[in-house]
Parts: sequence; C-alpha cells; structure tokens
Amino acid sequence: KQEVTQIPAALSVPEGENLVLNCSFTDSAIYNLQWFRQDPGKGLTSLLLIQSSQREQTSGRLNASLDKSSGRSTLYIAASQPGDSATYLCAANQAGTALIFGKGTTLSVSS
Amino acid sequence: SQTIHQWPATLVQPVGSPLSLECTVEGTSNPNLYWYRQAAGRGLQLLFYSVGIGQISSEVPQNLSASRPQDRQFILSSKKLLLSDSGFYLCASRWNGYTFGSGTRLTVV
Repeated sequence: KQEVTQIPAALSVPEGENLVLNCSFTDSAIYNLQWFRQDPGKGLTSLLLIQSSQREQTSGRLNASLDKSSGRSTLYIAASQPGDSATYLCAANQAGTALIFGKGTTLSVSS
Repeated sequence: SQTIHQWPATLVQPVGSPLSLECTVEGTSNPNLYWYRQAAGRGLQLLFYSVGIGQISSEVPQNLSASRPQDRQFILSSKKLLLSDSGFYLCASRWNGYTFGSGTRLTVV
C-alpha cells in the first residue's frame, strides 16, 4: 500500500530564502505526483503536477522534481515571500487509484 | 478547466442528526469523483470514490455513505452523526490531475 511522507512537518524561514520541501513515497510505480497548497481553513490549490514520465515541472518560483527510482519528490521555492506561508501537501497516485497524501509541511515565511 | 462547487462552507450539527453534503462539478464530463476528510492533526483520508453514476467505492468503513445520482453530482451523507465525524470534508475531481473544492468544515456537537 502506498505511503507518502513529508519532511519536515514545519519550517520557518526569513523572507527571500530559497527552500526545499521533501516528499517520499514507498511504491515507485506511481502514475502522477501532485503538489498542493492549503491555506488555513481552505481547500487545496494545485501547484504542480508531475506525470510518471516527467522529471520535473516549473511554475514561476516553484520547481518540483520527481525521482521514481529513489521514491522522492522535492518542491523548491525560490526567493520565498510571506505570502508563501501555507501548508504544502504532496500526493501520489498509481494507475486507477486515488491520491494518497502526505501530512504536509507547514511553511512560515517571516518578513 | 474544471471547477468544484461544495456547500455549505461550514456546518454545526448535533450528535445523532443527519448529514448531507453536496458537490457538483463543472467543466468536464464523466469525471472520477472523490470525498476526502481532513481531521485535526491528521492527513487527508480518502472516504469514497466514484467512477460513474451509481458507482461508489468505500475506502474506510464508517458512519458515512456516498451517492452519485448524476454525472456531475456527488453527495456525502450520514443518518446519524457521531462526534468523530467532525472534520474538514473535501470533494475532488480527477481530470489531468486532481481539482479540489473549497471544503466543508463540519463540527458535530
């Protein structure tokens, strides 16, 4: 059964710092890996979707990588801003199955 | 692109009362639909998924049920709520990745 783990659980950085959020999964036969952002009390906003044939995806200051062989994905945030403060969730699914989520990393960026 | 509508946004219900949460999808047809629950301090747990009208699969045995009466409508129900049903309920649709609704915060008192 697929398990997704995110480290660290919480992270505090000063504004402007580059940072990396880590996600690991136990079954490398994934179909998609998706990163989401969740603001307190809100739903999930999709940030980046990496399909199994891809190695990375980029959107603005965000870059997500996928290494299926090692069971890892990273979300890189460049030049962090206070508005980036939120919980970041990593989720993976295999063909024909629903997304399995990690418990998230709560990011706080101070000005 | 697809849009997920969920309502209500917040709900406070007494123990033993019934529940009905509705989710509708725009922008796609025949989507796979999902109900997730996020309890305090825990990750997102898949409750139900549906690949078509009338087709429901349950991931976790519990006090809840789901129905899909129309292609773009997914309903989460309970006949009698328990305190442990409190949480944040999210509906999702899958097409080129997953799209989530804004969620319903349910507090059972």
